Amino acid sequence: AQSVSQHNHHVILSEAASLELGCNYSYGGTVNLFWYVQYPGQHLQLLLKYFSGDPLVKGIKGFEAEFIKSKFSFNLRKPSVQWSDTAEYFCAVHDYKLSFGAGTTVTVRA
Amino acid sequence: NAGVMQNPRHLVRRRGQEARLRCSPMKGHSHVYWYRQLPEEGLKFMVYLQKENIIDESGMPKERFSAEFPKEGPSILRIQQVVRGDSAAYFCASSPSKDEQYFGPGTRLTVT
Repeated sequence: AQSVSQHNHHVILSEAASLELGCNYSYGGTVNLFWYVQYPGQHLQLLLKYFSGDPLVKGIKGFEAEFIKSKFSFNLRKPSVQWSDTAEYFCAVHDYKLSFGAGTTVTVRA
Repeated sequence: NAGVMQNPRHLVRRRGQEARLRCSPMKGHSHVYWYRQLPEEGLKFMVYLQKENIIDESGMPKERFSAEFPKEGPSILRIQQVVRGDSAAYFCASSPSKDEQYFGPGTRLTVT
């Protein structure tokens, strides 16, 4: 069975700071990996996904993630955050159903 | 194309009552998934359905919980005799295949 762990429970940073959220998964087979974001009061939205190919994946709103197979990691990054990036971020492994990490709450201070 | 619809958005039930949560998938999507998010936790898979079939219910509690996705109409997640521990946000997702899932806004169930 697959599992996902997210290293940070809550991250607080200032606007223009760089963001990196850790995600590690355990799964023996071919993985499909996702990052979802949940803005306050809204439903989950897909930020980016990795199925195969280039391990550096570009997503919406300036986010990117790098799949490192040897480390079983799929960390999310954004070079310069904005106040509007305040949200909860979920990493997930997909094997027809999604297995989510516990989520990381990101608070960006203006 | 409307997104995944869930209703009600908020549901309050007293202990022992029944809760019915509805999910209308996106047009053309025949795969429906239900997830539960408990306070301070990530989403946990509950059940995966295709039209008229339950494909995987490995995440569903063995008692009181049931799900269906009839040929016509929305998918229903039903919780009988609710208890306080059932209080959570319940999310539905749909997909046209086994790939990317699109989430609804969720139903927040509060059991008093």
